[in-house]
Amino acid sequence: TQLLEQSPQFLSIQEGENLTVYCNSSSVFSSLQWYRQEPGEGPVLLVTVVTGGEVKKLKRLTFQFGDARKDSSLHITAAQPGDTGLYLCAGLGGSNYKLTFGKGTLLTVNP
Amino acid sequence: DTGVSQDPRHKITKRGQNVTFRCDPISEHNRLYWYRQTLGQGPEFLTYFQNEAQLEKSRLLSDRFSAERPKGSFSTLEIQRTEQGDSAMYLCASSLSGVNGNTIYFGEGSWLTVV
Repeated sequence: TQLLEQSPQFLSIQEGENLTVYCNSSSVFSSLQWYRQEPGEGPVLLVTVVTGGEVKKLKRLTFQFGDARKDSSLHITAAQPGDTGLYLCAGLGGSNYKLTFGKGTLLTVNP
Repeated sequence: DTGVSQDPRHKITKRGQNVTFRCDPISEHNRLYWYRQTLGQGPEFLTYFQNEAQLEKSRLLSDRFSAERPKGSFSTLEIQRTEQGDSAMYLCASSLSGVNGNTIYFGEGSWLTVV
């Protein structure tokens, strides 16, 4: 069974601060997807990373896929209250269709 | 591209009743998935269709659950004789195989409360 561990589970910061969320596993994934979810809504895709060592930037968000494709990180620069939400990482394994999700990181950015 | 649509968004039902959820995937997406999410957890895989064929069912999907995708487009998820433990958000997702690491897009979810 593939597991994804996300850390931290909860994060409360002030507007303007930087933060990093980690997603770790002992399993190799063919790709890894990051989602942001708001209460009562479905997960919204932020990015897909496919190649080991890949770095993708989405405005103030930087995503990195580990060289061995077992881990990933999400870094947010100068966080804003609008970044508040549940950040989920999800790995696609050998089946290439079944996503394994972490439990998520609940981020609160205070004005 | 209207995204993945789910209906209804919220459903409250009495224990023992049957409920059905509908999902319309992104047009031309050949893969369709159902996931379930409870509070404080990430989504858990339930089942997967490629076109009209149901290729995998999780052991989370008891005999009371049935999913169909009769024409390879929309899908329904039916829960018979609902139990309080079925209360959760049911998420539908779709993807196009072979594209960008099989990126999977989710709908807004259908909240089920069994009272």
